[in-house]
Amino acid sequence: SQQGEEDPQALSIQEGENATMNCSYKTSINNLQWYRQNSGRGLVHLILIRSNEREKHSGRLRVTLDTSKKSSSLLITASRAADTASYFCATVSLGGFKTIFGAGTRLFVKA
Amino acid sequence: EPEVTQTPSHQVTQMGQEVILRCVPISNHLYFYWYRQILGQKVEFLVSFYNNEISEKSEIFDDQFSVERPDGSNFTLKIRSTKLEDSAMYFCASSLTAPSGGYEQYFGPGTRLTVT
Repeated sequence: SQQGEEDPQALSIQEGENATMNCSYKTSINNLQWYRQNSGRGLVHLILIRSNEREKHSGRLRVTLDTSKKSSSLLITASRAADTASYFCATVSLGGFKTIFGAGTRLFVKA
Repeated sequence: EPEVTQTPSHQVTQMGQEVILRCVPISNHLYFYWYRQILGQKVEFLVSFYNNEISEKSEIFDDQFSVERPDGSNFTLKIRSTKLEDSAMYFCASSLTAPSGGYEQYFGPGTRLTVT
């Protein structure tokens, strides 16, 4: 079944450093999205990249997508303590309505 | 900025009881979803709803679950006879177009359901 899986499962960095999270999936997708979730809170949509796109930027976020490897990465540059959260990739299959979330990467940014 | 709202924020119920979780999606959105997240686990898709009918559902969404859009603004998830394993955070989401259309989903803050 289609599934997004992130690595690493947990990441601890110092404020100001860059954080890179990776996601792999199994089936053909229409688009891939990244979400952030603060502890016990709802999901916040960060960025969406379509299957025909290779790279996308939004502020301090940079997302890449390699459909041949079925993988994506999320880079957060110049991290801040406020970036501490769990980050999930989510995929939508071609023509589907179901969004499949990965297990997430827990990012901890130390001030 | 428009947002998805959910009520209640926390619901405690006894096993076997019926619960209704309520959501108010963003007003011009056409697609509606329910997800759940068991503590410490990934977010799981339950169901999508469009044009007053279910467009897709997961294996989790069995006969104990139902969804309804009773009026132009509310979207509800009913669990007929709750089980201990239904304890989770339930998220409602809405979007303007289908997910495959590349439009983001907006999530509500969630309802924490505790079944005792």
